[in-house]
Amino acid sequence: DAKTTQPPSMDCAEGRAANLPCNHSTISGNEYVYWYRQIHSQGPQYIIHGLKNNETNEMASLIITEDRKSSTLILPHATLRDTAVYYCIVRARNSGNTPLVFGKGTRLSVIA
Amino acid sequence: ETGVTQSPTHLIKTRGQQVTLRCSSQSGHNTVSWYQQALGQGPQFIFQYYREEENGRGNFPPRFSGLQFPNYSSELNVNALELDDSALYLCASSPLPGSNQPQHFGDGTRLSIL
Repeated sequence: DAKTTQPPSMDCAEGRAANLPCNHSTISGNEYVYWYRQIHSQGPQYIIHGLKNNETNEMASLIITEDRKSSTLILPHATLRDTAVYYCIVRARNSGNTPLVFGKGTRLSVIA
Repeated sequence: ETGVTQSPTHLIKTRGQQVTLRCSSQSGHNTVSWYQQALGQGPQFIFQYYREEENGRGNFPPRFSGLQFPNYSSELNVNALELDDSALYLCASSPLPGSNQPQHFGDGTRLSIL
C-alpha cells in the first residue's frame, strides 16, 4: 500500500501557483520523497525528489517540513499543460529492488 | 539522450491468448521495471530486471513473465490472457536497482482483452 495521502483533486487558475500537499506521516529517516505526474494517455513523468532539504528544479519546488511528515509540491506559474494526476511517493534510498508504490494521486485541473 | 520507448502502443487480444510487450530502456540505464495501470488507478509494480535476471516481483501470477536482453531492453509476456488484464502496461528504466536516481517511464502499451 502507498505510504502517502493526497487530496483526490484540486483546481488552480492559470498563471497562479499550484500547491499540492502530501502527507507521509510514517516516513522513515532513509526514505526519499518523489513526485511524478501523469498527463492523460502518457506515462508518469518524473518531477523532483528530496530527502529533507527543500529542492528546486526547472519544473517545480519541493518543500519538506522539518519533521518530514508532509511535503508540498509547488508549480510556480501553472499552465493548462500542467493539468495531470500528480503522485507523491516515498521510497528508501539504496533500496535494492524496492519498486515505486503509487497511490491514486491528486488530479490537478488548471483552469483558464 | 534517448528516452524509454515501448511497442506496440495499442494491442487488442482475446481471452486465453498470449501477448509480448517490448521496452527499450533509456540510454545508460541497465535496470528495467514493469508496471500495470488499470483505469483510474495508479501503476502497480509487476517485476524488475537487472543483469538479465528478475530482481524483484510484485503480487502478479506466474503467467506474467519477462526477459531482459544484453542491450538492457526487455519484454513482458502474459499467457492465458484474462479480461482483467486489460490495462496500460508501463516500462520504466533506471541506472541501477535501488538507485536514488529516478525511474523514467515510457508512454506504455494499452492492452485491451475482448
